[in-house]
Amino acid sequence: DIQMTQSPSTLSASVGDRVTITCRASQSISSWLAWYQQKPGKAPKLLIYKASSLESGVPSRFSGSGSGTEFTLTISSPQPDDFATYYCQQHNSYPLTFGGGTKVEIK
Amino acid sequence: QVQLQESGPGLVKPSETLSLTCTVSSGAMNSYYWSWIRQPPGKGLEWIGYIYYSGSTNYNPSLKSRVTMSVDTSKNQFSLKLSSVTAADTAVYYCARAVGGTVISLWGQGTLVTVSS
Repeated sequence: DIQMTQSPSTLSASVGDRVTITCRASQSISSWLAWYQQKPGKAPKLLIYKASSLESGVPSRFSGSGSGTEFTLTISSPQPDDFATYYCQQHNSYPLTFGGGTKVEIK
Repeated sequence: QVQLQESGPGLVKPSETLSLTCTVSSGAMNSYYWSWIRQPPGKGLEWIGYIYYSGSTNYNPSLKSRVTMSVDTSKNQFSLKLSSVTAADTAVYYCARAVGGTVISLWGQGTLVTVSS
């Protein structure tokens, strides 16, 4: 199985700060990486797939980059609604695997 | 707009079989991969597997010996059975629609299943 490691596990930021989350794969997954946002008590929501493709309806302040084994999710100017937990997921091969999550808290 | 809704018992006894059904609110089930993902309380996400509308399946090897998925396109439903459950199977179970079998583009609201005697 491909192991996905996210860092940091928790991040404190202020509204308007730039936020960057890192996800590393245990082997190359080319650009086959997705990012999800999850709020407490809710299902995850797809933000980005194929490393940098923005899902329809997702604000442009979210962006993804990377390839191979290292990827980043950037929120250019987080809004109050963006404080949540974020997960990466490799969609290169089965079984699909997720990172452990990064909780973005309001400072 | 398509919505997914999980249903099934919220409490299952150890060693018994967990059974859940997901109802797809509208639209055809054709050409999509219908998936199950779970999340233990306070923990991360685990992919259980998918069933294609045609009935072909792909399970996580870590659960494969205990998982069975089925689909009934005439009822717009697909189902999950997980046998011989233990407390480690306690989780929120999500049904979902996956694009190409790999990107989870649509999620149900999730249902908590507790394994306890």
